[in-house]
Amino acid sequence: ETGVTQSPTHLIKTRGQQVTLRCSSQSGHNTVSWYQQALGQGPQFIFQYYREEENGRGNFPPRFSGLQFPNYSSELNVNALELDDSALYLCASSSPTEENYGYTFGSGTRLTVV
Amino acid sequence: AQSVTQLGSHVSVSEGALVLLRCNYSSSVPPYLFWYVQYPNQGLQLLLKYTSAATLVKGINGFEAEFKKSETSFHLTKPSAHMSDAAEYFCAVSDSGGGSQGNLIFGKGTKLSVKP
Repeated sequence: ETGVTQSPTHLIKTRGQQVTLRCSSQSGHNTVSWYQQALGQGPQFIFQYYREEENGRGNFPPRFSGLQFPNYSSELNVNALELDDSALYLCASSSPTEENYGYTFGSGTRLTVV
Repeated sequence: AQSVTQLGSHVSVSEGALVLLRCNYSSSVPPYLFWYVQYPNQGLQLLLKYTSAATLVKGINGFEAEFKKSETSFHLTKPSAHMSDAAEYFCAVSDSGGGSQGNLIFGKGTKLSVKP
């Protein structure tokens, strides 16, 4: 059973650019959630995808968008990058059919905006 | 609305001493509660979870937590700290309460240091 994998692990972008982060969910998990963790803070919910549709969104502007593919993998896209977007982006997968549900997190993508 | 407060951003204990990390929650529905651990430059690893079954929950690495509804608390404990326990710990509550796969609302975290 493979866990959640994220790519890339690190990247540096310039303010105003666009970035795409990728996530492969754990085998058997059909729901993917994205979280932003700023330095010294707890993760904050960005949005969730279930069956290729957005299934909930946190307090993030529309320039944060996502996709989920038929194999349940997912992308997070951020347009018009700002310095405050510098953070660790975490992907978590889950399955609503698990008896006692939980979330499996990937190791994250560290984004630095300069 | 659900929320979590972790008391103490930094806790330091000696190796072999009791670990106590405090978490209080606010929830308008019966909560599902979680503790996660994060090692430097890594993602989050689930330590344990409360999902309305037994109030004393045992997790990995010798950690446990007790759900106390009257105190709205879910404190994390370990009888004897190891050097390898040094990490950041996050308490979280599901934003939809029990019975559905909600999203997680995290506290700000508590950094645990273990002195030799």
